[in-house]
Amino acid sequence: GAVVSQHPSRVICKSGTSVKIECRSLDFQATTMFWYRQFPKQSLMLMATSNEGSKATYEQGVEKDKFLINHASLTLSTLTVTSAHPEDSSFYICSVPPGYYGYTFGSGTRLTVV
Amino acid sequence: KQEVTQIPAALSVPEGENLVLNCSFTDSAIYNLQWFRQDPGKGLTSLLLIQSSQREQTSGRLNASLDKSSGRSTLYIAASQPGDSATYLCAVFFNAGGTSYGKLTFGQGTILTVHP
Repeated sequence: GAVVSQHPSRVICKSGTSVKIECRSLDFQATTMFWYRQFPKQSLMLMATSNEGSKATYEQGVEKDKFLINHASLTLSTLTVTSAHPEDSSFYICSVPPGYYGYTFGSGTRLTVV
Repeated sequence: KQEVTQIPAALSVPEGENLVLNCSFTDSAIYNLQWFRQDPGKGLTSLLLIQSSQREQTSGRLNASLDKSSGRSTLYIAASQPGDSATYLCAVFFNAGGTSYGKLTFGQGTILTVHP
């Protein structure tokens, strides 16, 4: 299957600052990538679909001005959490479209806002 | 509304036992269904992918079945081991007008503990 690298794996930031999370497709040119969020003891919820060279598509209820997505190349999508607050603390994870073996996910980023 | 439900929420079994995890979905118009494993604080590891035209898939000690008409999938784990302890997630790609990929809808997961 595809190989997806996500960085950083863990970040702690102060309230009001911004944090950038990178998702790289190492062996697959992805015109689309997906960003999910997982709160403690809950399942994954799709936040947005990242589209190379165009605007991301956000799910209902997700603030596009808070969660900035950039997909500037076929191998890199970034999620920036702007003006982070404690309620943004969560596990963020990206994926690429499915290949023969299905969807492949990154290793995730644990964001803690203090 | 398209929803995915997993039962049980948690399961604790002794090592060596065979077990079944259940996943149900509300809309039979699915493109595929995928089972994942998630270790605490980690990402998702794909276990098995079942296309809508398939009834089951096997990988080692794992077997996943799919019954679209009843909206159910099961993940069977044979001869469970302590290393199988993790959260198991079922995810469905509901048919989105012919596209081959899109939004995955996840169940809440089953937390499995296999004790020695």
